[in-house]
Amino acid sequence: SQQGEEDPQALSIQEGENATMNCSYKTSINNLQWYRQNSGRGLVHLILIRSNEREKHSGRLRVTLDTSKKSSSLLITASRAADTASYFCATGINNDMRFGAGTRLTVKP
Amino acid sequence: KAGVTQTPRYLIKTRGQQVTLSCSPISGHRSVSWYQQTPGQGLQFLFEYFSETQRNKGNFPGRFSGRQFSNSRSEMNVSTLELGDSALYLCASSLGQQTINTEAFFGQGTRLTVV
Repeated sequence: SQQGEEDPQALSIQEGENATMNCSYKTSINNLQWYRQNSGRGLVHLILIRSNEREKHSGRLRVTLDTSKKSSSLLITASRAADTASYFCATGINNDMRFGAGTRLTVKP
Repeated sequence: KAGVTQTPRYLIKTRGQQVTLSCSPISGHRSVSWYQQTPGQGLQFLFEYFSETQRNKGNFPGRFSGRQFSNSRSEMNVSTLELGDSALYLCASSLGQQTINTEAFFGQGTRLTVV
């Protein structure tokens, strides 16, 4: 069973715009991770945010975590065509990592 | 440092056959997890191994099994293949005891097609 749910399912933007993806989860967590997957390939780790953190940055990525609302968001600023991919949040359930359905981001040049 | 290596990359099998997939983690990583990815079900957790011990198992039938060797390499086996087992099988390794607490590194996956 999946733990997180991403929203929206798909997002299409122009190069240079910002993209925001949201993740909601059901149970208490120790941390939450975001991953990117290019079409049909392996996942690449983006950011891990712990439950006692509210915000984390990595380059053009900004992740927020609101444990009271059981939600997280991933913001990609100044998007590029190379950011086109699926983005997944992952949380722990029964001590193993479970993924949401993902947001498919398309960045048009 | 070599990444996570999964072999084979592509596989076509017939219903009823069995298949073994292999995963070599990053050197020094002792935790290996397996996931099944399909368009309909998304990424589903299969199992997690640490130091040759299965720590967790997802909600899959007994036809799905796995193991981890002393060098941390892992294999998963699917017996009596069904059409619905067609999927991308992903392996991930991590440095910590539990994948959820650390960054996981994924292989490129094995694309299994059952005909």
